[in-house]
Amino acid sequence: DTAVSQTPKYLVTQMGNDKSIKCEQNLGHDTMYWYKQDSKKFLKIMFSYNNKELIINETVPNRFSPKSPDKAHLNLHINSLELGDSAVYFCASSQGQGSEKLFFGSGTQLSVL
Amino acid sequence: AQSVSQHNHHVILSEAASLELGCNYSYGGTVNLFWYVQYPGQHLQLLLKYFSGDPLVKGIKGFEAEFIKSKFSFNLRKPSVQWSDTAEYFCAASGGYQKVTFGTGTKLQVIP
Repeated sequence: DTAVSQTPKYLVTQMGNDKSIKCEQNLGHDTMYWYKQDSKKFLKIMFSYNNKELIINETVPNRFSPKSPDKAHLNLHINSLELGDSAVYFCASSQGQGSEKLFFGSGTQLSVL
Repeated sequence: AQSVSQHNHHVILSEAASLELGCNYSYGGTVNLFWYVQYPGQHLQLLLKYFSGDPLVKGIKGFEAEFIKSKFSFNLRKPSVQWSDTAEYFCAASGGYQKVTFGTGTKLQVIP
C-alpha cells in the first residue's frame, strides 16, 4: 500500500489553464504539506494543513489554493497557470508538525507550455 | 530566519571512496536535523534524523551523520560508497513545531 499517493504523476498543460493535483495519505497522519521543487532541485514549502486547518501559508501566489476535505486528503488547485509554475510538486505528511519525519509522495511533474 | 545550507552541489566519487556531505544550519533554539535522499525517479525518503542525545546518528544503508552544535553542522558520512548511492541528498532542519526547511541539495554521482 502506498503511504502518500498523489495524482497525476505527470501533468502537461497550456498557459492560462486551471489544474488540480490530488494527494491522499493512509498513514493516519494529522499534518499534510505541499512542497515545490524547482529546476535546481530546491525544495520549498508552500502550504501545511493540520487536521484540515491551514497552518503554514508561505508566500505563494493566490492562484494556488489548497483544499483539505478531510485530514487524509490535501489537494492543490492552480488557476491561470504560468510558465514559472513548471516544477515538481511533492505532497507530504507527518504525524505532528515540524519535528516529525516527513513521508513524501512520488511527486507530480508539472510542465506548463 | 532559519536556513540550511549545503555547500557541495555536485560530488563525483568512485565506488569504495569515502563520502562526507556538508550541511550547516542557522536556527535559534532547539533544532531537529534530517537527511533525506532522492534516488533517480523516486520520491524523497528519510535517511536519518537527530532530535537529541548521541550526536552521532546512524541511518539506513550505512550512512551516519554527526551533529556538532558549536559548528552548527550536521554532515553526512559513509565510509565506502556504492554505485547505488547515486542520488540527490537533502539536509533539512526544523525547530520544535516550525516548518521543515530544506537545503538546496547535493547531487552525488558514484562511478563504478
